Amino acid sequence: AQSVTQLGSHVSVSEGALVLLRCNYSSSVPPYLFWYVQYPNQGLQLLLKYTSAATLVKGINGFEAEFKKSETSFHLTKPSAHMSDAAEYFCAVINTGTASKLTFGTGTRLQVTL
Amino acid sequence: DGGITQSPKYLFRKEGQNVTLSCEQNLNHDAMYWYRQDPGQGLRLIYYSQIVNDFQKGDIAEGYSVSREKKESFPLTVTSAQKNPTAFYLCASSKGRRDSYTGELFFGEGSRLTVL
Repeated sequence: AQSVTQLGSHVSVSEGALVLLRCNYSSSVPPYLFWYVQYPNQGLQLLLKYTSAATLVKGINGFEAEFKKSETSFHLTKPSAHMSDAAEYFCAVINTGTASKLTFGTGTRLQVTL
Repeated sequence: DGGITQSPKYLFRKEGQNVTLSCEQNLNHDAMYWYRQDPGQGLRLIYYSQIVNDFQKGDIAEGYSVSREKKESFPLTVTSAQKNPTAFYLCASSKGRRDSYTGELFFGEGSRLTVL
């Protein structure tokens, strides 16, 4: 089965600094990979997805992620953090064993400080 | 506006009681899902349904039950057999059986269940 590992349960950055949230995947076949964002006490919202087209994927709110097969990674970045980016971020992968199942990582909580 | 509505947002129950969480969508999506969220564990799939009158167990189905009598509705019952029911429950949907493969889920705002 496919899985994702998010390195770092908490990340803190200063406003205006680079945001880097790490995600590594485990898959024997080309995966579909996703980043979702969750604001406090809300559901999740899709930020961006990789579905085997361009390796650099641009999403909403200025976020982007790069699929690197050699490193089995799909890290999420944003050049300049904003206070409104404070949230929990989840990396996810399609489980091709039962294709409708999306498997999530354990999440990374992003804190943005002044 | 189209979306997913979960109710209630907060729910308190005594141990041993069954509880039903509501999930309604007006997106005309075929597939619906229930996830459980616990701190530090991410989201875990409880049940999912790709079509009316059919559903499949997810990774942690024990102690839960669902029904899918209408396309728009996918209620979740947390039974007294669930050993640790206190959690945040999220309902989601996706467009169709083929589009389910894209992984694009639309989520409700969640229901927080606390068992006393």
